[in-house]
Amino acid sequence: GAVVSQHPSWVICKSGTSVKIECRSLDFQATTMFWYRQFPKQSLMLMATSNEGSKATYEQGVEKDKFLINHASLTLSTLTVTSAHPEDSSFYICSVAVGQGGYTFGSGTRLTVV
Amino acid sequence: GENVEQHPSTLSVQEGDSAVIKCTYSDSASNYFPWYKQELGKRPQLIIDIRSNVGEKKDQRIAVTLNKTAKHFSLHITETQPEDSAVYFCAASMGLTGGGNKLTFGTGTQLKVEL
Repeated sequence: GAVVSQHPSWVICKSGTSVKIECRSLDFQATTMFWYRQFPKQSLMLMATSNEGSKATYEQGVEKDKFLINHASLTLSTLTVTSAHPEDSSFYICSVAVGQGGYTFGSGTRLTVV
Repeated sequence: GENVEQHPSTLSVQEGDSAVIKCTYSDSASNYFPWYKQELGKRPQLIIDIRSNVGEKKDQRIAVTLNKTAKHFSLHITETQPEDSAVYFCAASMGLTGGGNKLTFGTGTQLKVEL
């Protein structure tokens, strides 16, 4: 149980375009999802906390107008990278708390902006 | 907010030796401490975790210890094998107090097990 499906697994886009990443909880309801970004050889850094039916909470230094998060249902959260630039190229991964302190992760999305 | 420090950043051991990775955290309210193994381009895989009401936990070759007073916890891998080579992350959260609590990761340790 507690599976999170993330799509796409990889995407290449042109500079200036927008990219949407989806995370879907398959067998449970997720009122909260966490979005992380991981640059090569670095740790996972929390970008924002996605809350179902309300605005996301962004970490300091993360531009909320650039990284749009929508959590319209209890099973789906999306992250849209708007006007992507090469420096946005990274590994994006979502996560959900699954009780007893545990967390489950999506499979991640490798974004390359050219 | 929570801050998790992890050492060493790289660790090279001979096959069969033990490996120890250490982490410290800043928020005394944190109550859940998982350890993850991450292969390149993959999601983190939970290898062991410990909750704040326990001082030590062991699962075959892997053990974790927690010192709440000093706010540090450690991962111990015994009888290391080449397939243990990967990046390991520690993390901390207040996850036991609710699902809305974020997970803060350490900086990671690249473990290399040499033949």
